[in-house]
Amino acid sequence: DGGITQSPKYLFRKEGQNVTLSCEQNLNHDAMYWYRQDPGQGLRLIYYSQIVNDFQKGDIAEGYSVSREKKESFPLTVTSAQKNPTAFYLCASRSGYEQYFGPGTRLTVT
Amino acid sequence: KNQVEQSPQSLIILEGKNCTLQCNYTVSPFSNLRWYKQDTGRGPVSLTIMTFSENTKSNGRYTATLDADTKQSSLHITASQLSDSASYICVVSVYGGSQGNLIFGKGTKLSVKP
Repeated sequence: DGGITQSPKYLFRKEGQNVTLSCEQNLNHDAMYWYRQDPGQGLRLIYYSQIVNDFQKGDIAEGYSVSREKKESFPLTVTSAQKNPTAFYLCASRSGYEQYFGPGTRLTVT
Repeated sequence: KNQVEQSPQSLIILEGKNCTLQCNYTVSPFSNLRWYKQDTGRGPVSLTIMTFSENTKSNGRYTATLDADTKQSSLHITASQLSDSASYICVVSVYGGSQGNLIFGKGTKLSVKP
């Protein structure tokens, strides 16, 4: 079963705690992305990676961190510095023009 | 500023009816335009991708059009089904740029009622 997996589907954390969202792909894609989706807004780019061991900040990187140690994996850490972390987080990978999205993780911070 | 505007914000139609969703963009330089379908609580799934030279593309009951001169696109859904209830997102890609440079619209939420 090929594609992009994100886990967990739902995540709950207390304010002040860091949390790591998982993203794995077996599509052999070099490029991977993290987006944030809030109600009534378009997707916003947090971080992206074009190749292993390299990543770049997107439009809203503050309060987030990533790593890309393996081609298949691109985990996102939401740190306590992120002011409004409650959101739906989407991971994606790209091949040519086509971008493939994972099922998303809904993070709730209280 | 690169922007993608979609209309309407939401739409309710009866099962079996047709509908058309609109997308206007001010993105330059233009590379391609995509339409995605996003079910509630799920990731977006690609419906169509059109480059500058394409002005229509179909995927089953979904037909997208592109007018690069007026910078407008539409997504027409024929003979709607209950499973078409979802948000439809228009995305425009900026030519060049290492990150793919995707500009996302806010989406149109479609509800198909029996």
